[in-house]
Amino acid sequence: AQSVSQHNHHVILSEAASLELGCNYSYGGTVNLFWYVQYPGQHLQLLLKYFSGDPLVKGIKGFEAEFIKSKFSFNLRKPSVQWSDTAEYFCAVRGYNNNDMRFGAGTRLTVKP
Amino acid sequence: EPEVTQTPSHQVTQMGQEVILRCVPISNHLYFYWYRQILGQKVEFLVSFYNNEISEKSEIFDDQFSVERPDGSNFTLKIRSTKLEDSAMYFCASSSPSLYGYTFGSGTRLTVV
Repeated sequence: AQSVSQHNHHVILSEAASLELGCNYSYGGTVNLFWYVQYPGQHLQLLLKYFSGDPLVKGIKGFEAEFIKSKFSFNLRKPSVQWSDTAEYFCAVRGYNNNDMRFGAGTRLTVKP
Repeated sequence: EPEVTQTPSHQVTQMGQEVILRCVPISNHLYFYWYRQILGQKVEFLVSFYNNEISEKSEIFDDQFSVERPDGSNFTLKIRSTKLEDSAMYFCASSSPSLYGYTFGSGTRLTVV
């Protein structure tokens, strides 16, 4: 089964700083990759997803992620974070031929105003 | 925008009691899922459901858990005899077709006392 690891447990940034959250997965076949965000007290929301094609994926709110197949990575980036980006970010992977999606442990992002 | 609806938002139950968590997936979705998130931990896959039967389940989804789609709209998770460690946020999700990102509900916070 697939698994996901997120390198950072808690990241603290000042507003306007650049963000990169690491995500690595392990799976022997083709994968679909996702980043979800969970704002305090709210449910999971899809930020962006990768299925095929251009490995640089753009999502909502200025986020993007790059799929690097050789590194089994799908890192999330944002050039300039805002206070409102304070949330928990989850990387998730699903093997192409199955239906269950596995989540990383999450990275808590705190943006200081 | 279509939503996945979960009720109740918060349920408190005594240990050993049965609980039913309810979900109304998006109407034209065909795949349904339950995930849980214990406070401070990662989102864990429980079960996926397609064509009126379980398609995948995790090791967490043991005999105390069951899922049902009793009519054309609801998707329920039953926990037969709750334990303290079942306290968590339970998320329902749906998708169609299974290749696309899931839509998650707002979650039901289950507290077992």
